[in-house]
Amino acid sequence: DSGVTQTPKHLITATGQRVTLRCSPRSGDLSVYWYQQSLDQGLQFLIQYYNGEERAKGNILERFSAQQFPDLHSELNLSSLELGDSALYFCASSASGRGADTQYFGPGTRLTVL
Amino acid sequence: AQKVTQAQTEISVVEKEDVTLDCVYETRDTTYYLFWYKQPPSGELVFLIRRNSFDEQNEISGRYSWNFQKSTSSFNFTITASQVVDSAVYFCALSEAGSARQLTFGSGTQLTVLP
Repeated sequence: DSGVTQTPKHLITATGQRVTLRCSPRSGDLSVYWYQQSLDQGLQFLIQYYNGEERAKGNILERFSAQQFPDLHSELNLSSLELGDSALYFCASSASGRGADTQYFGPGTRLTVL
Repeated sequence: AQKVTQAQTEISVVEKEDVTLDCVYETRDTTYYLFWYKQPPSGELVFLIRRNSFDEQNEISGRYSWNFQKSTSSFNFTITASQVVDSAVYFCALSEAGSARQLTFGSGTQLTVLP
């Protein structure tokens, strides 16, 4: 158990809908990362937050947004969902958000868009 | 831009055989960090090891060992006396000390250990 929690574990929804994925980092970690794992794209970085502020952005679509709250949990919002958004979404956390940090991953949320 | 290549898509071995998973990386940073993660069939990503670019000492942890060679930009992972429980997808990843603090992953190697 990495100490990172993600809810829900599974999510099934329809095209055009909006969903919210939630992540709680390990105790003491200030930085949260979101990654998407799909069959065609592999594991891709989406976005990073550090202590409530956006730190880095990767290949995140405009339909996707995220935030980190004062209690350090984070939410990833996916809207106008398309079939191609079906994937495993991971949250990871690290102590300080530096490249040297080890990122510990949550169990993931498997999103299926029908 | 940084890049990680895992050329072996799938490897199949029989239990107790040794197996080496290859990882080649590209980066312009002089300070960077290399990682291996394991993804068992249950789906979670489990951290195995982190290596700093300035520390080329090889590491051994039980049946696992890692060979880091800056001269060839490689960070290979060997499992000795493989077991069925080692069956998983293994990912090599890179982060940099500069602006790219996120992990860049390779495409993964599916290891199947047969009884």
